[in-house]
Amino acid sequence: KAGVTQTPRYLIKTRGQQVTLSCSPISGHRSVSWYQQTPGQGLQFLFEYFSETQRNKGNFPGRFSGRQFSNSRSEMNVSTLELGDSALYLCASRTGTGDGNTIYFGEGSWLTVV
Amino acid sequence: AQSVSQHNHHVILSEAASLELGCNYSYGGTVNLFWYVQYPGQHLQLLLKYFSGDPLVKGIKGFEAEFIKSKFSFNLRKPSVQWSDTAEYFCAVRGLDGNNRKLIWGLGTSLAVNP
Repeated sequence: KAGVTQTPRYLIKTRGQQVTLSCSPISGHRSVSWYQQTPGQGLQFLFEYFSETQRNKGNFPGRFSGRQFSNSRSEMNVSTLELGDSALYLCASRTGTGDGNTIYFGEGSWLTVV
Repeated sequence: AQSVSQHNHHVILSEAASLELGCNYSYGGTVNLFWYVQYPGQHLQLLLKYFSGDPLVKGIKGFEAEFIKSKFSFNLRKPSVQWSDTAEYFCAVRGLDGNNRKLIWGLGTSLAVNP
C-alpha cells in the first residue's frame, strides 16, 4: 500500500509569490491534514479536510488555504509568500476523523522563501 | 489553551543507556496521547499511543510510555537505546472534550545515540 505522497519535495519561491503543494493520501483514507514544521515552532496544525469539507482549522492567516478533491487528494496554497513561511509542510492522512484513527504522514514539502 | 511541553530539546546517550523523554500537557479533560518518531530523512511515524485502559503503553522497537493523569504527563522510556534510535521524538495530545479536537504537538526532542 503506497504511503502519503507529497509533491513537490523541494521548492524555492520569492517573497510575494504564491505556492501550491499537493498531497495524495493513502488509498482509502478520506481525511487529510496539513501541518507546518519549523525548528522554532515545531509542528503546527494548519487544517483538516474530510469529504471535500474543511473540518478543522489552525491559527494561520488567510494567506494559507486548502482544498480537497472528490478522490481525497488535497492541495494547500500559500499566497503572498513571506520569508517566515519557509518551512517543511507535512501532509497526513487517516481513514476518518474519529479520535481513534491513526494519522500517517508524508515526507513533506520543503519550501524556502527568498 | 492546550499546550504540550517536551522538556529535553537535545539528548545525547551512549548505546545501552536508558532513555526517558519527558512530555507534559495542559488540558483538564480526557485526552488521547501519542509519541511519534522521525528518523533522519524519513517521515514521521507513530511510535505508540494511549487512548484508555492500562496507562503503561507498549510501542514499537521496545519503547513504552506511561500516562500519569495526576501529573499530566506521558513520558517515553526505553531501557536500552541503540544507535538506530537516533531520531527526533514528538509528543502529541488530542483533547476530547469539545468539538475542536486538533492534535497539539510538542517541539520535539532530538536524540543522538553514540555507538
